[in-house]
Amino acid sequence: DAEITQSPRHKITETGRQVTLACHQTWNHNNMFWYRQDLGHGLRLIHYSYGVHDTNKGEVSDGYSVSRSNTEDLPLTLESAASSQTSVYFCASSDLDYGYTFGSGTRLTVV
Amino acid sequence: AQSVTQPDIHITVSEGASLELRCNYSYGATPYLFWYVQSPGQGLQLLLKYFSGDTLVQGIKGFEAEFKRSQSSFNLRKPSVHWSDAAEYFCAASGAGSYQLTFGKGTKLSVIP
Repeated sequence: DAEITQSPRHKITETGRQVTLACHQTWNHNNMFWYRQDLGHGLRLIHYSYGVHDTNKGEVSDGYSVSRSNTEDLPLTLESAASSQTSVYFCASSDLDYGYTFGSGTRLTVV
Repeated sequence: AQSVTQPDIHITVSEGASLELRCNYSYGATPYLFWYVQSPGQGLQLLLKYFSGDTLVQGIKGFEAEFKRSQSSFNLRKPSVHWSDAAEYFCAASGAGSYQLTFGKGTKLSVIP
């Protein structure tokens, strides 16, 4: 069955370190997204991609970057982790006819 | 700006009672509308979606939602709630033909046995 997987599930890192969160989907969807979820804010869009080599900034993109070298993967990089980036991160892929399919999330703690 | 509002942060209902979760949207044109459910520690699961046509939409787990253009609303309903429905529910919208979703802040549902 097609799926979307995120790794790691949990990560603790230190302030200032570079961190990369992985997202892999086997739906063959062109559209992929990264969201962060925080209490009181719901889900906010960080970056998104509509295809290979296409990347776009979302609502809360500062301090984050993505790259899309193939259809299956959209890694999210925190260039220099900050405590404000402690959050739960969700990756999603989309075929508009169906809607989004979400991964199980990565809980990131920056200490 | 485009936005989705869920007025209720937390709702508590008794098992077997009916449920209605409210969602209002602010978009220039009628958006595509979605309801998702999130159990603790899990990702989001699609309950139902509305693109066009019949304004009453049936979803999974016995949920339905009604689109009301005049009220800019897309409320989620269930006639009889089960304890397993306790979760957080998110309403979301995207511009027609767009792939970006804007989420409401969610409504947490608690179910009393």
